[in-house]
Order: sequence, then structure tokens, then C-alpha cells
Amino acid sequence: GAVVSQHPSWVICKSGTSVKIECRSLDFQATTMFWYRQFPKQSLMLMATSNEGSKATYEQGVEKDKFLINHASLTLSTLTVTSAHPEDSSFYICSARPTEAFFGQGTRLTVV
Amino acid sequence: AQSVTQPDIHITVSEGASLELRCNYSYGATPYLFWYVQSPGQGLQLLLKYFSGDTLVQGIKGFEAEFKRSQSSFNLRKPSVHWSDAAEYFCAVAPSFSGGYNKLIFGAGTRLAVHP
Repeated sequence: GAVVSQHPSWVICKSGTSVKIECRSLDFQATTMFWYRQFPKQSLMLMATSNEGSKATYEQGVEKDKFLINHASLTLSTLTVTSAHPEDSSFYICSARPTEAFFGQGTRLTVV
Repeated sequence: AQSVTQPDIHITVSEGASLELRCNYSYGATPYLFWYVQSPGQGLQLLLKYFSGDTLVQGIKGFEAEFKRSQSSFNLRKPSVHWSDAAEYFCAVAPSFSGGYNKLIFGAGTRLAVHP
């Protein structure tokens, strides 16, 4: 099946700094990618839909100025957590779809 | 609003026993239906999906699921569980429309433990 690569797998950052997470479709072009957030022992919650060449669509309650999404090419979407705080610590997962959703391996973010 | 319910938060079965994980959805039309498995600290792997046609869907790793429109259910089954099946299982739905599907809505997940 299609491959979606997410980088980094885990990151630890200091409170107040920004962190960028990359999501790449390796063997297909993805005009649309999705970013999810998963708290420990909970389900995945869609944060935003990333559209190549246009602005991302954010779900209700997600701060677009805090979670910056850039989808500059057909194979790469990035999520930047700006001015990170401990409550932003979570597991972030992206997905992309040629015909169905393939997920990256996720990024464990810990803000200290 | 669309929703997905996985009634069982945690299930424990013995290795070799059969398994059924329940999933119910709420949606006006027939949605696209999916089952994913997640190992600890990992992303999600698609087990199987239902778009249309035969209501009994075969997936990877010996899993199958049956779509029952009258019950708004899409339960996941496996006749004989292996220890390596211990993981978190998520049912997901997406509204269906021509050209593909949009965002996925996930159930809360069912954590499967397997006793030797």
C-alpha cells in the first residue's frame, strides 16, 4: 500500500519554543492530508485538513495560530506547534489518501 | 452529527479464542467504514474497509467485518486470536460522496489483551 512517512517520531522541546512535524507521501501525490491528535488512551481527533496550495481547514476548537499547517507541495505537509506548552504534549498523526487513508507512524511531542 | 461508538473499552481473550469487536455508527446514509489497528506508540494500520457491495469484508491478518445496515453496525471478527493481535483497535467512518471520502471520525477504541 501507499506509504506515508512522518518525522520526527518523537521530540522533546522546551516550553515556549516551536516544533515542526513533517508528513510526506512517499509514493503518491497527496492533494489533501489530515492532521490528528491523540491523547493518552484516547481516540484520534481531527485537528485540520491540509490542502495543497491553499489554507488549511481547522476543526472547531483548534487554534489555527498555534498549530500552523503548510502544504506547499503534493508530497509534503508540515504542522508547526508554536509557543508550545506542556498541555500540547500529545501524539500527533497525519494521514493522506490516494484512495483511502494511510497514516504516518506518528510523532510523540513532549513539552517540558 | 456523525458518530461512532465502540461499546467495549477493553477486551481480554485467550489465545486461540474467537474475537468480535463491536462498532456502531450514526449517519444518515451508508458511510465508508474502516477498522484500524494501532500498536503502542505507533501509527494506524488499515485492517479492512467497506465502501459498497458484499457486506462481509475480508481484511489483513485474518480479520473480517460485516456491515449490517439494519443495525448500523460494522463489527470486526477473527476466528482465532494470536498473541500478536494485542493492540488498540479503532473503528472509523467517513461520509460517502462521489469522488471519495472526506475526514474520518473515529470511535473511542477497544484495547485488546490476549492471554497465553
